[in-house]
Amino acid sequence: DIQMTQSPSSLSASVGDRVTITCRASQDIRNYLAWFQQKPGKAPKSLIYAASSLQSGVPSKFNGSGSGTDFTLTISSLQPEDFATYYCQQYNSYPFTFGPGTKVDIK
Amino acid sequence: QVQLVQSGAEMKKPGASVSVSCKASGYTFTGYYIHWVRQAPGQGLEWMGWLNPDKGDTNYAQKFQGRVTMTRDTPISTAYMELSSLNCDDTAVYYCARGRSLDYWGQGTLVTVSS
Repeated sequence: DIQMTQSPSSLSASVGDRVTITCRASQDIRNYLAWFQQKPGKAPKSLIYAASSLQSGVPSKFNGSGSGTDFTLTISSLQPEDFATYYCQQYNSYPFTFGPGTKVDIK
Repeated sequence: QVQLVQSGAEMKKPGASVSVSCKASGYTFTGYYIHWVRQAPGQGLEWMGWLNPDKGDTNYAQKFQGRVTMTRDTPISTAYMELSSLNCDDTAVYYCARGRSLDYWGQGTLVTVSS
């Protein structure tokens, strides 16, 4: 199985900050990488697929990049509604696997 | 608009089975695989497998092989996930999600396993 790691596991940031989350796969997953946002008690929401493609309706302040084994999610100008847990997920091969999550909270 | 609506919370005893439904609307049900993902309390996301609503074929994560069955009722655009031989570690929120990139998710179904 492909192992996914994320760093940091948590971070504190202020409204208006730019935040970057890193995701690493244990083997080459090409660009089959998705990012999700999850708020407490809610289902995950898809933000990005194919490493850098924005899902319909997702604001452009979310930016994904990378390929192969190293990926990043950048949120520019953090807003109150962006405080959540973010997960990366590979869908290059089965079983699909998720990163452990990065919790973004208010400083 | 695309929607996946899941059945309500369930409480089961160890050893029992549970079935969770996922009703799709707003798109062609047979055009996208349905994936099932679960999340134990305070934990991360765990992929369980997929169902092809068109042909009915499935692919299960090895961890759940022999205990999970995914089926569908195409005329009513509904997918089902049945998990048997439940134990306390199966207490989780179970989600269905659409397509390989999991672009739309159901609201989740809490399954509690307790004696």
